[in-house]
Amino acid sequence: EVQLQESGPGLVKPSQSLSLTCSVTGYSITSNYWGWIRKFPGNKMEWMGYISYSGSTSYNPSLKSRISITRDTSKNQFFLQLNSVTTEDTATYYCARYLRRVFDYWGQGVMVTVSS
Amino acid sequence: DIQMTQSPASLSASLGETVTIECRASEDIYNGLAWYQQKPGKSPQLLIYNANSLHTGVPSRFSGSGSGTQYSLKINSLQSEDVASYFCQQYYDYLNTFGAGTKLELK
Repeated sequence: EVQLQESGPGLVKPSQSLSLTCSVTGYSITSNYWGWIRKFPGNKMEWMGYISYSGSTSYNPSLKSRISITRDTSKNQFFLQLNSVTTEDTATYYCARYLRRVFDYWGQGVMVTVSS
Repeated sequence: DIQMTQSPASLSASLGETVTIECRASEDIYNGLAWYQQKPGKSPQLLIYNANSLHTGVPSRFSGSGSGTQYSLKINSLQSEDVASYFCQQYYDYLNTFGAGTKLELK
């Protein structure tokens, strides 16, 4: 069974970088696509981007200057880095498998608060 | 960006009732629409993709329909385990966008 688990700090200071890890079991990240989605307080959801089986990436243009998605295939993990965060980046962050453009397996989510 | 307008924002229904949730896209999304269910404290679960295809393992009381800019999720014979939030996702455009969600409660 495909399982994903996010990990990372729950509190980040403004202007710093947010770094999250998604650990995948039951499926190789060298197949298909793997994405990050976030859910803001108030429930709005935003697609952030994905990394493909080959390592290519695609990002939401609204984040393009701040976001980076990378991977470590030896550990079957992929990563999210979001730079220069503000309080508006406070959200629950999810990683998910992005199969034929839908998210068919999701992690449990990690709540990240941006606050000084 | 394609805007997704989801309605209603909240819904109260009785066990056994049929419930319909709608999503309207700001332009034609050619059936590139998925529906998800999210229970409190849990991760979202894919229900429907390609507007009307049932994901593996999803009960048949869930169904999706629609075309163009208007899409619906129907839940027949509402069960207690269907209490959750539901949201749509359009993926016709590479910049996927989501509806604001519908919170379904029991009356």
